[in-house]
Amino acid sequence: NAGVTQTPKFQVLKTGQSMTLQCAQDMNHEYMSWYRQDPGMGLRLIHYSVGAGITDQGEVPNGYNVSRSTTEDFPLRLLSAAPSQTSVYFCASSSIDQPQHFGDGTRLSIL
Amino acid sequence: QKEVEQDPGPLSVPEGAIVSLNCTYSNSAFQYFMWYRQYSRKGPELLMYTYSSGNKEDGRFTAQVDKSSKYISLFIRDSQPSDSATYLCAMSINTGGFKTIFGAGTRLFVKA
Repeated sequence: NAGVTQTPKFQVLKTGQSMTLQCAQDMNHEYMSWYRQDPGMGLRLIHYSVGAGITDQGEVPNGYNVSRSTTEDFPLRLLSAAPSQTSVYFCASSSIDQPQHFGDGTRLSIL
Repeated sequence: QKEVEQDPGPLSVPEGAIVSLNCTYSNSAFQYFMWYRQYSRKGPELLMYTYSSGNKEDGRFTAQVDKSSKYISLFIRDSQPSDSATYLCAMSINTGGFKTIFGAGTRLFVKA
């Protein structure tokens, strides 16, 4: 029973590079979200999706893109990495009767 | 002012103590209240999930919600060293919680 799976677990990028953080869930949840976690600031919502083909911005969306072509997958794309995007990224999924379940995160460093 | 305020601690207690963790919030529209536990280098793990005001108990854990005061609490009885973690309060307007707002987390240490 995998739940929410995030890959990679760690990544180091150079400024200006692009990359995609992967998130997959096997619970058939309608809703999926991406958060970043920074010291002293808690979890902040980047983007979320209420179903396949539907996405919307959260609190801190700038510099990130998402798409949701299937119920299971919700990738997060960094278009041109900046040092300010150094963080731990968490993906979560939920449904109308289930609160959010989280993956174990991707630790991203941008030099 | 942040929507959710949570004392970051750290909070250090001896094994067996009763632990009280708290959050205040400003948005009266929040209806769903959660507590998550996060161990180092892991994702948040759901501990308690309550709707509206009242108490909910699960083993050694009790969650309280006071909507009139905009105040939520998590009590841990007979605390154990394995309870040492960061505890995040969270709240949402929506069912499904896809726009959940989190507190910054309180770091708890339980000493054997």
